[in-house]
Amino acid sequence: GENVEQHPSTLSVQEGDSAVIKCTYSDSASNYFPWYKQELGKGPQLIIDIRSNVGEKKDQRIAVTLNKTAKHFSLHITETQPEDSAVYFCAASKGPPGYALNFGKGTSLLVTP
Amino acid sequence: DTGVSQNPRHKITKRGQNVTFRCDPISEHNRLYWYRQTLGQGPEFLTYFQNEAQLEKSRLLSDRFSAERPKGSFSTLEIQRTEQGDSAMYLCASSRAGGSTGELFFGEGSRLTVL
Repeated sequence: GENVEQHPSTLSVQEGDSAVIKCTYSDSASNYFPWYKQELGKGPQLIIDIRSNVGEKKDQRIAVTLNKTAKHFSLHITETQPEDSAVYFCAASKGPPGYALNFGKGTSLLVTP
Repeated sequence: DTGVSQNPRHKITKRGQNVTFRCDPISEHNRLYWYRQTLGQGPEFLTYFQNEAQLEKSRLLSDRFSAERPKGSFSTLEIQRTEQGDSAMYLCASSRAGGSTGELFFGEGSRLTVL
């Protein structure tokens, strides 16, 4: 089955700096790569996603890049703010929209003022 | 609030007892998912429904686990003869089939502790 590896497991940055989280996947048939943010006591919430026919996508301070050849994708957060502190999960799926997601183990991001 | 609702939020039970969790999805969503999350791990897929049909089950879903969605609205996840290894957060999510994105909307989860 699909195996999604995520690094680093913890990341601490100062407010205003950039944060980068990287993921690799094993199944070349995967075609959908979302990123979820999970705050303490809450369920994960989608922050950005990308499909395999696109190399990069940006939404304000958040961007995701995808390298299909190398089977890795990354989340970039610029101008980090304390409210960005949370656990971030990457995921991969090979089905149509809504198909079962395989999640990475998560990255705990701490943004210090 | 029109988000995904899960009950109970917390359940403590003794090993060997049965427990049932309920999920009420966003009303116009016809897909419903169950995931399990343990401490320090990402959510693991258990099963999903489109309307009342259970379309996929993970091998993680042992015979002690059963999920239903009888009228294509709310869903229940029952765990029989609980074991300590069942202790986890059980997350429910919903989505709209045919939507332009694959976004899943998660509930806040039901935390199970098996003593």
